Amino acid sequence: SQQGEEDPQALSIQEGENATMNCSYKTSINNLQWYRQNSGRGLVHLILIRSNEREKHSGRLRVTLDTSKKSSSLLITASRAADTASYFCATVSGSNYKLTFGKGTLLTVNP
Amino acid sequence: DTAVSQTPKYLVTQMGNDKSIKCEQNLGHDTMYWYKQDSKKFLKIMFSYNNKELIINETVPNRFSPKSPDKAHLNLHINSLELGDSAVYFCASSQRWGPDTGELFFGEGSRLTVL
Repeated sequence: SQQGEEDPQALSIQEGENATMNCSYKTSINNLQWYRQNSGRGLVHLILIRSNEREKHSGRLRVTLDTSKKSSSLLITASRAADTASYFCATVSGSNYKLTFGKGTLLTVNP
Repeated sequence: DTAVSQTPKYLVTQMGNDKSIKCEQNLGHDTMYWYKQDSKKFLKIMFSYNNKELIINETVPNRFSPKSPDKAHLNLHINSLELGDSAVYFCASSQRWGPDTGELFFGEGSRLTVL
């Protein structure tokens, strides 16, 4: 069963703008991760945030986690055309510590 | 040096055939996975092995059989292929499995088309 739901499904912005993607999940988690997938390629890990953390930064990426609302957001600042990709949140949860992916947000950054 | 490599990258075959996809990781990780990505890009876990032991087996038809000869390899064999099996299959690995399961490293995917 699906755990994460990203919002919006698609996002189109201009280069230099910020992009925010949201993820909601249903059950308690051990950690939440964000991945990027370029068209026709495999997924690449971006950032991991543990259930006891609230915010994390990595370069132009900022991730927040609100366990009371079961939601997370990924902010990409000063976007570039090369950021065009699908972005997925994924949660580690359950007794078998399964990593379950959401449906993804397709981000298009126009030059 | 590719961290997680899977072969073949493309597979086109007829309904009813049997096919295999191979995966190897050179990261020294304990845990390997197979995910299926459908045409809407939804990723669903199929199997996971930790130290050659099956730990996750989702509701997958028994036509799909994983095999892990050693920690570095996880192969996927599919019998009696059906149209609905058409998808991209991703192999992945992680350093460990458990509550602190960290990042997964993915292969480039194997696109299976069943005609």
